[in-house]
Order: sequence, then structure tokens, then C-alpha cells
Amino acid sequence: RKEVEQDPGPFNVPEGATVAFNCTYSNSASQSFFWYRQDCRKEPKLLMSVYSSGNEDGRFTAQLNRASQYISLLIRDSKLSDSATYLCVVYTGGFKTIFGAGTRLFVKA
Amino acid sequence: NAGVTQTPKFRVLKTGQSMTLLCAQDMNHEYMYWYRQDPGMGLRLIHYSVGEGTTAKGEVPDGYNVSRLKKQNFLLGLESAAPSQTSVYFCASSGVPGQGQAFFGQGTRLTVV
Repeated sequence: RKEVEQDPGPFNVPEGATVAFNCTYSNSASQSFFWYRQDCRKEPKLLMSVYSSGNEDGRFTAQLNRASQYISLLIRDSKLSDSATYLCVVYTGGFKTIFGAGTRLFVKA
Repeated sequence: NAGVTQTPKFRVLKTGQSMTLLCAQDMNHEYMYWYRQDPGMGLRLIHYSVGEGTTAKGEVPDGYNVSRLKKQNFLLGLESAAPSQTSVYFCASSGVPGQGQAFFGQGTRLTVV
């Protein structure tokens, strides 16, 4: 079993749709959580951190469920520019940061 | 701001050749990392450094060496390239791990034939 698992997709959604991604992690002692965005043939960039109480940044909402060991990302009112791969990232301590393989999102006009 | 800069961006090597990938950061970060990214897999840590003059092995270190002679630079070497090392390589730097974001270079696409 992978330490961080994501549905690879792709998710194909129309503009204006709401889409949600989930990510599960295996290490119950994981300390911090992030979502990164990676555009095609580009480097990953931080989208948002994920806090226990849940957090929102504009159209993006991140949730953490420690009991079930999963993280979610909700994108509301999808834009064409949201098309990218979304990486779930889990920091487990020391220098161990685990990157998920990513979920691909295509937003169509 | 330059952030993290990697060179080269593309390279084709023949099996057995050697090369060095260069990474430079201008954010005064202590921590630097080399990752490889392959289709269907997450970024995997090759080597990392916690400061000038220090290096340590990551998840997939075999076939690679690194050096951090200056705080701002982190070099990744392939002594004898193999087709299995065909990948996209990313350098990154960060503050304290897990407490903030990592900043990535633009990547190096390496093909070993």
C-alpha cells in the first residue's frame, strides 16, 4: 500500500462545476498536510496548507480527517485555469515528506 | 526573484555517461532536496541536505551523488547513467520541514538512451 494515495483521475468537469478530491495516508503519526498544484511540464507549487479545523482560500476548501486518515480538496466554481494536477503532500516527521502521485483535473468550457 | 534555479532544463545522455545537475537558491534556506518524478508515481526523494557541507540519503539514492559546498547550491551527480534514471528531476529548498512550503526549481528532463 502506498503511503499517500490519490485517485489519479482524470476528472473532467465543465466550467462552474464543483469538484472534490480525496487523499488517504497510512501513517497515523503524520504531522502536517498540504495540497500542491502542478501544471503540465512545470514544477509543483503550494496551493494551500491543510489544518485540522479545515480552511478555505477563495474557491478552495481543504479538510483533514485524522480519524479516517484522509484529506480533501474542494474546488467551487471551477475555472479553465484550474486545469492542473493536484498533489496531496503529507509530512510525517524528520525529513520525510511524502508526495502523492497526483489527481489530474481538466476544466472544459 | 529567482527562487530556485536548475540547470540544464533538458539533457539526453548515453548509457554510462556522467553529468551534474546544478541547483541554486537565493532564499537563504538551510534545507535543500533532489527529487525525481516518474509517471504514476509521486515525487521521490533522492538526497537532501540540512545545511552547507551536509548531505543525506533519501528514498532512492542509488546511482546518484550530491554535494553542498555552498549554502545556496546543491549539486546532483550521475556517475554512470542508466536508462532507469530517465526521469524529471526537481530541486527544492525550504525552511524548517513540515512548517511551510517547499520551493521547486523548474525541473530537468533527463533521457538516458
